[in-house]
Amino acid sequence: DTGVSQDPRHKITKRGQNVTFRCDPISEHNRLYWYRQTLGQGPEFLTYFQNEAQLEKSRLLSDRFSAERPKGSFSTLEIQRTEQGDSAMYLCASSSQGMGNTIYFGEGSWLTVV
Amino acid sequence: AQSVTQLDSQVPVFEEAPVELRCNYSSSVSVYLFWYVQYPNQGLQLLLKYLSGSTLVKGINGFEAEFNKSQTSFHLRKPSVHISDTAEYFCAVILDSGGSNYKLTFGKGTLLTVNP
Repeated sequence: DTGVSQDPRHKITKRGQNVTFRCDPISEHNRLYWYRQTLGQGPEFLTYFQNEAQLEKSRLLSDRFSAERPKGSFSTLEIQRTEQGDSAMYLCASSSQGMGNTIYFGEGSWLTVV
Repeated sequence: AQSVTQLDSQVPVFEEAPVELRCNYSSSVSVYLFWYVQYPNQGLQLLLKYLSGSTLVKGINGFEAEFNKSQTSFHLRKPSVHISDTAEYFCAVILDSGGSNYKLTFGKGTLLTVNP
């Protein structure tokens, strides 16, 4: 169990650029989640995958955001035409199927849009 | 919709003192309850969770929490804190319903600062 891995850990980008974050979940986990956390706030749910299917997207996920999990393993979160309001930590998490199973979080990817 | 309220944004305590971090929730259906800890520049680590059964739940690092259904609370306690407990603590819920029983809803967090 190597834990949930996220890359890059930090990203500084200019407004209007595109960025992509990668998440590698714990290998046997079929559920994968993305959350966003801004300073002084708790994490907010963005989206959820079960295997390769994206089953829920939050209203927070505007059209500029897209997430994929093409083979049911790793996932990517892309933000197009970044805005300063996108500056946040993007957290990936994973769990196995079943209620009550622990949701494990990665260390997050910090995005700063300048 | 469910919500989680952490009543204190900051809690300063001295080392070896007891601490209680308060959490209340609102929901029209049953919930599952969690406490996570976040150390600076790191992700979240599960401290403990309540799914069913005994209302007193013990977690890692000497923390425990008690589920009180009538008061819709899930307060976190530790009898004696250490400097290393300094971190942000988040209370969270998952609805016990068929539709979204995978989605964590978090409170805004409580910053616990343990002073020597």
